[in-house]
Amino acid sequence: DGGITQSPKYLFRKEGQNVTLSCEQNLNHDAMYWYRQDPGQGLRLIYYSQIVNDFQKGDIAEGYSVSREKKESFPLTVTSAQKNPTAFYLCASSAPFRQGVRDGYTFGSGTRLTVV
Amino acid sequence: GENVEQHPSTLSVQEGDSAVIKCTYSDSASNYFPWYKQELGKGPQLIIDIRSNVGEKKDQRIAVTLNKTAKHFSLHITETQPEDSAVYFCAATPNNAGNMLTFGGGTRLMVKP
Repeated sequence: DGGITQSPKYLFRKEGQNVTLSCEQNLNHDAMYWYRQDPGQGLRLIYYSQIVNDFQKGDIAEGYSVSREKKESFPLTVTSAQKNPTAFYLCASSAPFRQGVRDGYTFGSGTRLTVV
Repeated sequence: GENVEQHPSTLSVQEGDSAVIKCTYSDSASNYFPWYKQELGKGPQLIIDIRSNVGEKKDQRIAVTLNKTAKHFSLHITETQPEDSAVYFCAATPNNAGNMLTFGGGTRLMVKP
């Protein structure tokens, strides 16, 4: 079955440590996105990539980094520069906009990151 | 850029009643409006969407209406059930934004048995 997989489901980070969240999709989608969700809050865009080897900063990119070396994969690294990383992280993907037809995002099941 | 406002932020209804969530958008060029349901601890799931060439779309107990003149769209859930309890997000995308969605702030729906 096609889908988008995030791992791990739960992640614990020590102060000053970098951690990497995995996001893999087999939907053949060109675009991928990372969102941060704090308790009771909406979705805030961290980074997005419309095509392999290219990515753009979203609204809250500081303290995060990404890579897009393969179409299927869009890992997110939470660096030690991110002072308040405890949150729920969601990855999403979408098909390219073609011939006036749009589709929504497919989301992963999320990674809950906690600083210990 | 596009801005999407969603109301209310929380909504509590009795089982069997209807629930309505409203969103307004700012960019008149937006032409695609999906709705997502997010259950606790999970990722959002697309439940229904509407394109700007139609005014209403229905799928069993859920429906979405679109008023392009007023730039607002709404999600209607009839005969609510406890399993409808979740956070709902609306979104919009302008014509020049590729497939980038702008999300509303979310509505926490609680259906009381």
